Amino acid sequence: QKEVEQNSGPLSVPEGAIASLNCTYSDRGSQSFFWYRQYSGKSPELIMFIYSNGDKEDGRFTAQLNKASQYVSLLIRDSQPSDSATYLCAVRSGGYQKVTFGTGTKLQVIP
Amino acid sequence: GAVVSQHPSWVICKSGTSVKIECRSLDFQATTMFWYRQFPKQSLMLMATSNEGSKATYEQGVEKDKFLINHASLTLSTLTVTSAHPEDSSFYICSARELVGRDSTDTQYFGPGTRLTVL
Repeated sequence: QKEVEQNSGPLSVPEGAIASLNCTYSDRGSQSFFWYRQYSGKSPELIMFIYSNGDKEDGRFTAQLNKASQYVSLLIRDSQPSDSATYLCAVRSGGYQKVTFGTGTKLQVIP
Repeated sequence: GAVVSQHPSWVICKSGTSVKIECRSLDFQATTMFWYRQFPKQSLMLMATSNEGSKATYEQGVEKDKFLINHASLTLSTLTVTSAHPEDSSFYICSARELVGRDSTDTQYFGPGTRLTVL
């Protein structure tokens, strides 16, 4: 079983819709969760981090964490074509453990 | 967010030569830096974790004698690909961990990456 799992996609949504990206993780001791966006040919860019159960909102982005279900998601409201990219979920266990990345979900926002 | 730079952004070299890539944290001190490699349409692969003042920790399958990592200061880590071959052609990305985060968390920030092509 992979430590961090994401559906590779592509996930296609129409412009203006809500895109929902999901991620599950296997280590119950994980404490910090990150979402990165990676455009083709570019390096990952941090979008959000979350470490408490519940929702965290930042502009059009909302991260949701459910530690009991070992599930973290990213919602993108009012999706724009410029949101088309690969979204990487990253998870870190306690202390200064290395971050484990998922393989990413490719999002396509259709104009 | 914090800024991480990499140099060069791209490099083309002949087979058998060595290439050095620099990674700098510009506005924060990074006691830990990470080196990743990414092949086209594949996910990030962690190569090694670099701690300032100590030897790097390499992931399984990564040759430490081929990929030399030096982390001599809190703001600079270097990756040297020795005796490069065409199969080493890839996108190399560094990441720096901001330990006392401005966002009150321990966060990794990525450099822009270095595209290496070995002829």
